Amino acid sequence: AQTVTQSQPEMSVQEAETVTLSCTYDTSESDYYLFWYKQPPSRQMILVIRQEAYKQQNATENRFSVNFQKAAKSFSLKISDSQLGDAAMYFCAYRSHSTQGGSEKLVFGKGTKLTVNP
Amino acid sequence: GAVVSQHPSWVICKSGTSVKIECRSLDFQATTMFWYRQFPKQSLMLMATSNEGSKATYEQGVEKDKFLINHASLTLSTLTVTSAHPEDSSFYICSARDGAVYQETQYFGPGTRLLVL
Repeated sequence: AQTVTQSQPEMSVQEAETVTLSCTYDTSESDYYLFWYKQPPSRQMILVIRQEAYKQQNATENRFSVNFQKAAKSFSLKISDSQLGDAAMYFCAYRSHSTQGGSEKLVFGKGTKLTVNP
Repeated sequence: GAVVSQHPSWVICKSGTSVKIECRSLDFQATTMFWYRQFPKQSLMLMATSNEGSKATYEQGVEKDKFLINHASLTLSTLTVTSAHPEDSSFYICSARDGAVYQETQYFGPGTRLLVL
């Protein structure tokens, strides 16, 4: 079974600075998807960024980018020019490419709480 | 696009009663919906996967007779907590997969806080 590990329970960053959140995963599959979701205090899960494993190019969405290292099974999230509104729990998630036998479900890490200091 | 709503957002009920939570995809058709439970300061725990027109698939350890899931249409899934007890108090979140676009991406509802007295 796949597992997702977020080794940083908490992180903090100064406003306007850059922060990187770590995520590693374990899988024997070669094709899959990776996601970062944000959960602010409202508890609404918001998709931040997604990456398809077959794509070598790292995904970017405005101030958010990932460093996807497939061989190392690493998928870190970089937040540039951090804003107060970025403060939230961030969850890394894995999904198999297959849709057979329940493999479409997301496997979540335990999350990293990000604090942004003014 | 890809908006998912949940109703109610907050519910308090007495022990022994049943509570129904609705999950709707507002601007897309969701062939698959997922139900999660989240305890404070913890990650999401998948309870079941719901496919339109068929029986839900429950995760190991989740009581299917206690957590009834119905996915009667492409835009609506419901979770009914039957004979609720205080230990069922939790935050319940649904998500839906937009099969027409990024079919591997799940979009989440805002969640429902359930308190059983």
